[in-house]
Amino acid sequence: QITLKESGPTLVKPTQTLTLTCTFSGFSLSTSGVGVGWIRQPPGKALEWLALIYWNDDKRYSPSLKSRLTITKDTSKNQVVLTMTNMDPVDTATYYCAHSTVTRFNYFDYWGQGTLVTVSS
Amino acid sequence: EIVMTQSPATLSVSPGERATLSCRASQSVSSNLAWYQQKPGQAPRLLIYGASTRATGIPARFSGSGSGTEFTLTISSLQSEDFAVYYCQQYNNWPPAYTFGQGTKLEIK
Repeated sequence: QITLKESGPTLVKPTQTLTLTCTFSGFSLSTSGVGVGWIRQPPGKALEWLALIYWNDDKRYSPSLKSRLTITKDTSKNQVVLTMTNMDPVDTATYYCAHSTVTRFNYFDYWGQGTLVTVSS
Repeated sequence: EIVMTQSPATLSVSPGERATLSCRASQSVSSNLAWYQQKPGQAPRLLIYGASTRATGIPARFSGSGSGTEFTLTISSLQSEDFAVYYCQQYNNWPPAYTFGQGTKLEIK
């Protein structure tokens, strides 16, 4: 059974750096073809993909946010960490991590429950 | 960057009727298109991938079709639990990126 859970601060101040951790079980990020991504959703708005890291440490970032994002993995701890610099109130959102498998198609088949991050002074 | 446009923004349908949701890509994504369902306060749930393949455990009343730039999600006979927001998502190889549509809210008529 695959599960993922996000953790991190619920409140950050503008200009600060956000660090979120995704802790997962039921799969290994050292298994060929596996990836973990981050997606966010501002209140009442649509989903926005942020970043994804693959089993081989290959990384992908949203072109519009690439300069602010870093994604890393700790295979031994079954964790993926996302950092986002220079936070702004517009970054207020629920942040999800999700499992992906590299196949002919690219999609997210298992999602965490999400964690709401508010950016405010 | 590929832009995904979903229509309509809101769709009102009676239980038992058919619902048809559309998703258009600004350029071809071949069949690399997925559909998700999201209920209030919940994470999205994968329904369809590869434009037409149902994910594990998804009822047969959900079907996806299309390729290239035009895609459709059809729910053949709406159940009460199907009223939710639906998102399409594409993946592009270069530059590598996932893009979601803005969503279609399916509401009870």
